[in-house]
Amino acid sequence: NAGVTQTPKFQVLKTGQSMTLQCAQDMNHNSMYWYRQDPGMGLRLIYYSASEGTTDKGEVPNGYNVSRLNKREFSLRLESAAPSQTSVYFCASSEVVGDPYEQYFGPGTRLTVT
Amino acid sequence: GENVEQHPSTLSVQEGDSAVIKCTYSDSASNYFPWYKQELGKRPQLIIDIRSNVGEKKDQRIAVTLNKTAKHFSLHITETQPEDSAVYFCAADNQAGTALIFGKGTTLSVSS
Repeated sequence: NAGVTQTPKFQVLKTGQSMTLQCAQDMNHNSMYWYRQDPGMGLRLIYYSASEGTTDKGEVPNGYNVSRLNKREFSLRLESAAPSQTSVYFCASSEVVGDPYEQYFGPGTRLTVT
Repeated sequence: GENVEQHPSTLSVQEGDSAVIKCTYSDSASNYFPWYKQELGKRPQLIIDIRSNVGEKKDQRIAVTLNKTAKHFSLHITETQPEDSAVYFCAADNQAGTALIFGKGTTLSVSS
């Protein structure tokens, strides 16, 4: 049981390049989330998917898109990376739609945009 | 939307002392208030949570209190140990109960 996995662990992009961060969970959770973590800013919600087939914007969605590929997988795409998107990105999942029990986090992806 | 304020941003205590971290939230519809601990270089992990129908919850050396009228909740750690050193995040659920909004975190340092 791997829990929540993320790929890649590290990535360096040039301004304007695109990339997709992958996330998968094997706990049969309905809800999945993408956060970014910056020093002094805490965990800010980018997008979330309360159930398969739905996605919603969080606090900081600009510059990102998401896809809930199936119940297990939730990807985050940067279409044209900017230095302001340099951050650590965490994916998380939780069990129950409408009643957010414990969120289980992945190990994170450290992204640098130059 | 929901906004969660957390104080202090840093907290230094001596081993054995108590530590208190406070959070306020803006949406009176919030019902779920978890606390997460993040050690350096690691992922956040849930340490305790409380729901709006409960005023206080305790788990060994950690406790959380909730005042729904004032819209604030607090984390209390007693008999602190060096391994308690970490960043602690409070959170509150959104109006729909489908996502969490986190505070900016408190860096706790426990010196021996």
